[in-house]
Amino acid sequence: EDKVVQSPLSLVVHEGDTVTLNCSYEVTNFRSLLWYKQEKKAPTFLFMLTSSGIEKKSGRLSSILDKKELFSILNITATQTGDSAIYLCAVEKQAGTALIFGKGTTLSVSS
Amino acid sequence: EAQVTQNPRYLITVTGKKLTVTCSQNMNHEYMSWYRQDPGLGLRQIYYSMNVEVTDKGDVPEGYKVSRKEKRNFPLILESPSPNQTSLYFCASSSLRDPNYGYTFGSGTRLTVV
Repeated sequence: EDKVVQSPLSLVVHEGDTVTLNCSYEVTNFRSLLWYKQEKKAPTFLFMLTSSGIEKKSGRLSSILDKKELFSILNITATQTGDSAIYLCAVEKQAGTALIFGKGTTLSVSS
Repeated sequence: EAQVTQNPRYLITVTGKKLTVTCSQNMNHEYMSWYRQDPGLGLRQIYYSMNVEVTDKGDVPEGYKVSRKEKRNFPLILESPSPNQTSLYFCASSSLRDPNYGYTFGSGTRLTVV
């Protein structure tokens, strides 16, 4: 059975801290891994990763994929209160087919 | 503005009364899909469509129907809603031709079945 597991499920940090969110997967016909940020309602797209070892960066956020060990990490440096959200990891099986989500990591950043 | 539009945003209905949640995208995306989000269970895929007239089941299709008669629209139909279908529903779309595509989500529909 396909599964995507995120850890930790929740995390509380202080502003300025660096956090690492984890996502491991066991999915047949893997095509890509995606990260989303969900604040009040709709998830917003952060990264899509298809190749091992290539870091993707956007401001203070970065992510990398390890296809041999079947996991990805999302790093957030110098956290701000606006980073408080649920971070979702999803694995796409084939282009335009199943998208399997983990349960998410709830990040709370206190000032 | 490129977007996925869902309607209604909130809906309270009674058991057994057929309802439709609409989803429309203006990005000419081939791929559209529906998810439900429940506490402790995360987002689970209901149905997806790779193009017009092509639909397939996701992880939790029971009790739902979809259709894809036009590229821009992908309605979710609950023929006989039950309380266990109370959930937050999201529609999403994506272009299969863009090598770095992500999925764009609608704002969600909060459905309560009593």
